[in-house]
Amino acid sequence: GQNIDQPTEMTATEGAIVQINCTYQTSGFNGLFWYQQHAGEAPTFLSYNVLDGLEEKGRFSSFLSRSKGYSYLLLKELQMKDSASYLCAVSHGGATNKLIFGTGTLLAVQP
Amino acid sequence: NAGVMQNPRHLVRRRGQEARLRCSPMKGHSHVYWYRQLPEEGLKFMVYLQKENIIDESGMPKERFSAEFPKEGPSILRIQQVVRGDSAAYFCASSPQGAGGYTFGSGTRLTVV
Repeated sequence: GQNIDQPTEMTATEGAIVQINCTYQTSGFNGLFWYQQHAGEAPTFLSYNVLDGLEEKGRFSSFLSRSKGYSYLLLKELQMKDSASYLCAVSHGGATNKLIFGTGTLLAVQP
Repeated sequence: NAGVMQNPRHLVRRRGQEARLRCSPMKGHSHVYWYRQLPEEGLKFMVYLQKENIIDESGMPKERFSAEFPKEGPSILRIQQVVRGDSAAYFCASSPQGAGGYTFGSGTRLTVV
């Protein structure tokens, strides 16, 4: 089966660092994506990992361990506008390459 | 340089009516995906289409739902005889080669009353 787990909600303080974890068990794997989704809006692409290790992009970094079926998204210097849902998604690969999403982590950044 | 365009943004239908959701992919993209997001749930894959072909419809409910992507014009997701459980946000995404990391549209929020 396909299973992607991430915490439902998290709270953090403006200026701090937060790590959002994601574990997955899928029948296919062609990379892992993180998306940000503000309420009522489209998911927007944040990062893509296909090899083990850390990918850094400004205030956001994402890590992947394929052997452990584990990823995390690290957000530094949190800003109020970072309050959103963060979606972990595995690219299934194969002919379709569809994305399998977790339920998302709702992050609330407090002053 | 428009992104993925979906319309309408909001759609209200009475039970038993038909809903038609439209998606125009980004320029140069010939692969379209439809996802559904139910309240408090994650995005669920529905169907993957290329021009004039349905490639994978494994996520589509067996009845009342259909999708097309004609040679000309937008992709259409059609829901016949809607029921309250169809109320959700429906997102379309497009990509140039069917690779992941595609671009999502802003979605159509369907409310069935």
